[in-house]
Amino acid sequence: NAGVTQTPKFQVLKTGQSMTLQCAQDMNHEYMSWYRQDPGMGLRLIHYSVGAGITDQGEVPNGYNVSRSTTEDFPLRLLSAAPSQTSVYFCASSYGAGGTYEQYFGPGTRLTVT
Amino acid sequence: KNEVEQSPQNLTAQEGEFITINCSYSVGISALHWLQQHPGGGIVSLFMLSSGKKKHGRLIATINIQEKHSSLHITASHPRDSAVYICAVDEGYGQNFVFGPGTRLSVLP
Repeated sequence: NAGVTQTPKFQVLKTGQSMTLQCAQDMNHEYMSWYRQDPGMGLRLIHYSVGAGITDQGEVPNGYNVSRSTTEDFPLRLLSAAPSQTSVYFCASSYGAGGTYEQYFGPGTRLTVT
Repeated sequence: KNEVEQSPQNLTAQEGEFITINCSYSVGISALHWLQQHPGGGIVSLFMLSSGKKKHGRLIATINIQEKHSSLHITASHPRDSAVYICAVDEGYGQNFVFGPGTRLSVLP
């Protein structure tokens, strides 16, 4: 299994540009999430999905869109990049067993918006 | 919203020392997770706890649900343990994780 994969690893955007961060998992996990990690702060939830066709907002959803057309893929779209979106983005998937959910993280995408 | 705090923020230890990292949270949870983030950035899950104590090799994690507190212990620390350790609480059975700010550990040879 490849686990959770993310592309690209690094990206530089100019203010106002749009782009899509890709995330895929091959473990047939029902739950997938996107987080951003900023210096001195914990990971913060952007959007999450509990299954194909179902998404919901997390703590910091503004400026981002998601969709989940398949179990495997959960892309994150930046609609109009802003310098405040400079961050490291992590995608994670999880499965439940007995009411507890273990998370598997992708390697991260480091995004810089100039 | 749960407030997750960790202490200490930074920790430097000599190889072989016993290390404790603490995590406290404010609202009831379904599970607590300890994660490790290495300098390269990757994040791996170390423990998932809903009660009691778990042990993997030199790592031990405990949780006290009544006191809303968890500890991560590393026995006989080694330089390869140098990483950021992150506490995360699951508020909603996998649908809402809240993360602590992390504890940066450096183990010197």
